[in-house]
Amino acid sequence: GAGVSQSPSNKVTEKGKDVELRCDPISGHTALYWYRQRLGQGLEFLIYFQGNSAPDKSGLPSDRFSAERTGESVSTLTIQRTQQEDSAVYLCASSPLDRVASPLHFGNGTRLTVT
Amino acid sequence: AQSVTQLGSHVSVSEGALVLLRCNYSSSVPPYLFWYVQYPNQGLQLLLKYTSAATLVKGINGFEAEFKKSETSFHLTKPSAHMSDAAEYFCAAGRASSNTGKLIFGQGTTLQVKP
Repeated sequence: GAGVSQSPSNKVTEKGKDVELRCDPISGHTALYWYRQRLGQGLEFLIYFQGNSAPDKSGLPSDRFSAERTGESVSTLTIQRTQQEDSAVYLCASSPLDRVASPLHFGNGTRLTVT
Repeated sequence: AQSVTQLGSHVSVSEGALVLLRCNYSSSVPPYLFWYVQYPNQGLQLLLKYTSAATLVKGINGFEAEFKKSETSFHLTKPSAHMSDAAEYFCAAGRASSNTGKLIFGQGTTLQVKP
């Protein structure tokens, strides 16, 4: 079956521009997570969605970052007024259950480069 | 706060040699622990997980990890490295008492396998 799909795979943008990253989770997965992976660093949690519950936004680094999810389907991560430090690989993961023991299924990520 | 530390950002072994990737966690309560692998140009995938059952956990591709509470460690091993094991490996922890699948990841270890 199809895995987690992320688009675009690569994005180059100028400093100050807004960008939108998309994630299509595995069908039926109720939980969806966004992580950021900076060069040479581990994954940094950004935000997660579970069904119709309020999202956990505790990892968003600034108010320039926001994310939405429609029901249990597509999610978009928006970065406004991009800065060079936003350059990273943005990873989306989904999980069938919102439980810590339920493994995460990751997409291949979107590599964002801010020039 | 919970944290995960992977000792060694790069590990190089010869084909057929023992693989040992180190991971230590910091938590007042033993967490659930995971190892994920990221092959070149692919998304992260689960290797194995510890969820408070057996302390020695076996995963895919011949990898295993042992949870040692006294050492707060969850090191990943494989008796004999294959060229195909070359990848980046991430250790991650989640709160066993949590109702969320949010994980804290280590910085990652790149495994190089020499012929």
